[in-house]
Amino acid sequence: NSKVIQTPRYLVKGQGQKAKMRCIPEKGHPVVFWYQQNKNNEFKFLINFQNQEVLQQIDMTEKRFSAECPSNSPCSLEIQSSEAGDSALYLCASSPPGQGGSDYTFGSGTRLLVI
Amino acid sequence: GDQVEQSPSALSLHEGTGSALRCNFTTTMRAVQWFQQNSRGSLINLFYLASGTKENGRLKSTFNSKESYSTLHIRDAQLEDSGTYFCAARKGGNYKYVFGAGTRLKVIA
Repeated sequence: NSKVIQTPRYLVKGQGQKAKMRCIPEKGHPVVFWYQQNKNNEFKFLINFQNQEVLQQIDMTEKRFSAECPSNSPCSLEIQSSEAGDSALYLCASSPPGQGGSDYTFGSGTRLLVI
Repeated sequence: GDQVEQSPSALSLHEGTGSALRCNFTTTMRAVQWFQQNSRGSLINLFYLASGTKENGRLKSTFNSKESYSTLHIRDAQLEDSGTYFCAARKGGNYKYVFGAGTRLKVIA
């Protein structure tokens, strides 16, 4: 079982609806990443945090998503207005800090279907 | 942008045989991680390497940062090894990973 907990496992939304997913990183991991994996198995980096601060994000995330990692609460990623093309597996990963880096731990993902 | 070229894209192995997967990087990476994605979509961490070689059971992985590649060797393949294998590489601790396109492995009896 993964030490990174993602909920819900499955999410079905209509176009235009909000879609919110959550992630509890592994204990002691202040760095959190969100990725989108499409039906072609391609991974797209969305955003990452260190503690509560955004480190990097892509344009799409900035324009259409709302994401946060508050202290003492799960991280969240919310699509403000879902589109069919947002149907994908959303994966959260956490890692320890530092330039040396260490391995990511991935959650099991939230599979979003936008109908 | 930074790219990870993973090969082969698909592989069939008979039980008990082995093969190697490879990832080439277009820029210098500091670390690589190999994952197996199962049928439910969960990514299972196989190896994390900042250099050198690691071995775990029937799996062995090597990362050569200078020559910009990494390999994953599978020996004595078992049916449960079937799945999609991904390499992912990054430049540093807080940098995003760049993923390869995956290798779909099917182990047949």
